[in-house]
Amino acid sequence: DVKVTQSSRYLVKRTGEKVFLECVQDMDHENMFWYRQDPGLGLRLIYFSYDVKMKEKGDIPEGYSVSREKKERFSLILESASTNQTSMYLCASSGDRGSTEAFFGQGTRLTVV
Amino acid sequence: SQQGEEDPQALSIQEGENATMNCSYKTSINNLQWYRQNSGRGLVHLILIRSNEREKHSGRLRVTLDTSKKSSSLLITASRAADTASYFCATDLRDDKIIFGKGTRLHILP
Repeated sequence: DVKVTQSSRYLVKRTGEKVFLECVQDMDHENMFWYRQDPGLGLRLIYFSYDVKMKEKGDIPEGYSVSREKKERFSLILESASTNQTSMYLCASSGDRGSTEAFFGQGTRLTVV
Repeated sequence: SQQGEEDPQALSIQEGENATMNCSYKTSINNLQWYRQNSGRGLVHLILIRSNEREKHSGRLRVTLDTSKKSSSLLITASRAADTASYFCATDLRDDKIIFGKGTRLHILP
């Protein structure tokens, strides 16, 4: 069974903290994604990685960075958490170019207080 | 900016009726996909249609794609209570990014 696993289901952090969200996939997929989901806004792409150490900005990269040191792991980093980063964060992975769907993790609901 | 826009934003129908959702997008795509999300959970892939295909079926799902109009529709036939969920279209762009729309909330009434 294919799997995308996010390290935490719920997370509460303080304003100004550095936050790490981890995502691991076991499908040997090249592509990995981080989205945030907010009511009425759908899913918005934060960052995308198409290979180890390769990354591209999505639509809303400000305040975030990413790391992909190994193919199976894609980390999202909030350099200095702010209350407007309170959201549901979804990680996904996909395989061959143009031919496969994305598989999603269960999501991390982050609250910044 | 978001690539796909679903229409309507919300839809309520009686159980047994058909539900139709539409999606419009802006740029060239490799394929278009539809996903379902039950409340508070991750997204589940439903169906993928490639840019050179016009129609695809999977069980009670029928998807059409019109690349000249940059639009797609998802039809769910004979709806059931378990179909209550949010539905998202996603476009797989030529650079491998997968961009989602804002979704349609579907509510099946008993």
